[in-house]
Amino acid sequence: DTAVSQTPKYLVTQMGNDKSIKCEQNLGHDTMYWYKQDSKKFLKIMFSYNNKELIINETVPNRFSPKSPDKAHLNLHINSLELGDSAVYFCASSQDTGHGVIQHFGDGTRLSIL
Amino acid sequence: SQKIEQNSEALNIQEGKTATLTCNYTNYSPAYLQWYRQDPGRGPVFLLLIRENEKEKRKERLKVTFDTTLKQSLFHITASQPADSATYLCALTGGGNKLTFGTGTQLKVEL
Repeated sequence: DTAVSQTPKYLVTQMGNDKSIKCEQNLGHDTMYWYKQDSKKFLKIMFSYNNKELIINETVPNRFSPKSPDKAHLNLHINSLELGDSAVYFCASSQDTGHGVIQHFGDGTRLSIL
Repeated sequence: SQKIEQNSEALNIQEGKTATLTCNYTNYSPAYLQWYRQDPGRGPVFLLLIRENEKEKRKERLKVTFDTTLKQSLFHITASQPADSATYLCALTGGGNKLTFGTGTQLKVEL
């Protein structure tokens, strides 16, 4: 039973398009995250939501907009895609205990911009 | 600015030996340090967490040390096996929700 699932797994699209990535967790966690992993494998936090409220918003272009309809879902919408957006995007979740926030990751969405 | 560095080069060791991976940080006072494993095409998987007031933590063949004076953590895998081959990431947090990851070290265990 997949704990954190992302769709789609692969996304190939043209520059300038708008696309969305969906994430769902069945762990009952309060907090969800989006990370970007670039070609050098560096994993960087983008956003975090706690009980549907935005709590972390790193320096990310405003073409990226997260949306959390409920605490089990966190989607990422990207407008006007650019070549530099090509990366693997990971969703994660954690129980908001404040004790080190161990995170559970999905298997990523590989976004390729042509 | 905050910086977390891990061995940038891949680490190749022989099966049965102990693998030691390093995580160094600067301009940071983490309350917790974590280690994750990432396999190709998969998301990171949590392995161990150590608190700032703990010197060492063990779990089966894994051992983590945390030296806040040296600003360094060492991650050991004893009796390594080819199945241990993966990229290992260290991550730090000050106690809030934000985890900052290191650059990762690729480990290859050869027969």
